[in-house]
Amino acid sequence: QVQLVQSGAEVKRPGASVKVSCKASGYTFTGHYIHWVRQAPGQGLEWLGWINPNSGGVNYAPKFQGRVTFTRDTSINTALLELNGLTSGDTAVYYCAREYELALYWGQGSLVIVSS
Amino acid sequence: SYVLTQPPSMSVAPGQTARIPCGGNYSGSPGVNWYQQRPGQAPVLVVYDNTDRPSGIPERFSGSNSGNTATLTISGVEAGDEADYYCQVWDSTSDLVIFGGGTKLTVL
Repeated sequence: QVQLVQSGAEVKRPGASVKVSCKASGYTFTGHYIHWVRQAPGQGLEWLGWINPNSGGVNYAPKFQGRVTFTRDTSINTALLELNGLTSGDTAVYYCAREYELALYWGQGSLVIVSS
Repeated sequence: SYVLTQPPSMSVAPGQTARIPCGGNYSGSPGVNWYQQRPGQAPVLVVYDNTDRPSGIPERFSGSNSGNTATLTISGVEAGDEADYYCQVWDSTSDLVIFGGGTKLTVL
């Protein structure tokens, strides 16, 4: 069955970078965009952007442009998110999601805590 | 770009019908998707493209979209339906994904 398995929780210092992975299985990885969405504690869903695993093309939400990078490794069916210049405001659960017919099917989430 | 507005909270008694609105400042009819998020869990798609249900989602969940308001309807509400619900659209003009602020549904 279709699965997105994400990397584990991370604790980072302010100013550091974090990398979150999302391993896909059960479908053709290059056939569907991967989106990244985050959720701060007690808050709603915030979209970061998408990557086209086939071409590597990306689209970042304006708020994160210049601070976030999406990549993929098609040899291991994995999408990656890297976020730089972390602040306490980046503390959140980060989700990857497979796009299918303009809707999203979600991974389990990866908790990132930014704390000094 | 679109702005999607949802009431922060709603409550409904078991067995009753919940209707969760999602107001948009859009013209035309972009397809609206709905997600259920139970506490501590990832969101789950319950309605896509305004009215369609993914496999495995009970028929109690339905969607509609008229004018500038999309609505998620949950018939015969059960205790397990207590969750946050988010609407979402893909703004094809700006190529951005937009979420509503979410509605916390409480089953009394």
